[in-house]
Parts: sequence; C-alpha cells; structure tokens
Amino acid sequence: NAGVTQTPKFQVLKTGQSMTLQCAQDMNHEYMSWYRQDPGMGLRLIHYSVGAGITDQGEVPNGYNVSRSTTEDFPLRLLSAAPSQTSVYFCASSPGTTEIITSSPLHFGNGTRLTVT
Amino acid sequence: GQNIDQPTEMTATEGAIVQINCTYQTSGFNGLFWYQQHAGEAPTFLSYNVLDGLEEKGRFSSFLSRSKGYSYLLLKELQMKDSASYLCAVRDSNYQLIWGAGTKLIIKP
Repeated sequence: NAGVTQTPKFQVLKTGQSMTLQCAQDMNHEYMSWYRQDPGMGLRLIHYSVGAGITDQGEVPNGYNVSRSTTEDFPLRLLSAAPSQTSVYFCASSPGTTEIITSSPLHFGNGTRLTVT
Repeated sequence: GQNIDQPTEMTATEGAIVQINCTYQTSGFNGLFWYQQHAGEAPTFLSYNVLDGLEEKGRFSSFLSRSKGYSYLLLKELQMKDSASYLCAVRDSNYQLIWGAGTKLIIKP
C-alpha cells in the first residue's frame, strides 16, 4: 500500500497565485486532515474531513479551501497565495475520530514544502 | 486556552538514556500520542497512552499521569538514528489533536 501520497513535494509561488496541493490515501480512512508546520510551532490544523462530502475548519483555515468528493482524495486549495503561507504542509489520515477508534494514530504524507515570494 | 509544553532541544550521548517530558493543559483528554519526526520527513507514530502508567515498546517507553497533566517518552540505548524531533499530541474532548512544538533530540557519539 502507498499510504498517504502528497504532491507536489516542493512548490514556489508568487504572491497572488493560486494552486492545489493534492492528497490521496489508499487505506479507506474516513478522517483526513491538512496541517501546516512552521519552525518553533506545533502542527496547526487547517481543515479536516470526517467523510466524503463533509469538511470543517481547523485552527487556521483562512486563505485555504478544501473539498472531499471521494473517500480517497482531499485536495487543499490556496486561493491567493501570501508570503505568510510559506510553510510545510502535511496531509494526514486515520480511520476516524469517534471514541471507538480514538486511539488510532494519524498517518502522514511526506509533505509539501511551499515558498511564496 | 489549550497548551502543550515540551523542551525545545535536548542533547544526549549514544548508548545512554534520555527522558523527554510533555506537560499539557487541554479541554478534556482522550489520549496522548508521541510521534518521531526526522528532519525533512513526516511524523511517524511511536506510542499512545490513555490510562495512567508506563507503556513499553522495545527501546522506547511512554508514561502518563492524567492527574498531573504529564507524560514522558523514555529512549534507552540511544542510537545515532534516534536524532530527530519528538512531538507530543493530546486528543481533546472534541477528539481534535493539540500538538506541542516538538523536542529536537541531538545524539552525540
């Protein structure tokens, strides 16, 4: 199994450009999420989804959109890139978040390193 | 607010033992995770604690005290490949994960 696959690995954007970060998982996980990781800070949740057709905002959702049309895919869209969005982005999935499977760890993709100039 | 504290950086010697502490203040508690993250790579799962006490997995052990809001990760027989950041995360009452900033562990020969 491939697990969680993210593309691209690296991206440079100019301020104002838009782009989509792709994320796909082949583990039939219901829960998918996007995090950003910045130096000296913990992982911060951008958006998450508990199943196809359901998305919700995390801690830092501004400037990002998501959709979940299938169980496998969870793309993250940057609408108009800003230098403050320079970061490493991780997609992560798990079987779910209910109390039944609360012990399930997140499986992370390899990350996308985004620079906005 | 919700907060997780970990030391920013620790240094240890190959073959020794190191303990990485994590203290948390969260709205509710539904388990605590430890992840390892090598530089430039994704976090990978190490351990999960939901009840008080020690969980042992080979060279790695994790301890939890819910009454004290405290956990530690114990690494024994340190190897150079253990040089990495170690992330503590708590699942809160809404089942969301709250993450610490991570502890960078440097292993010296």
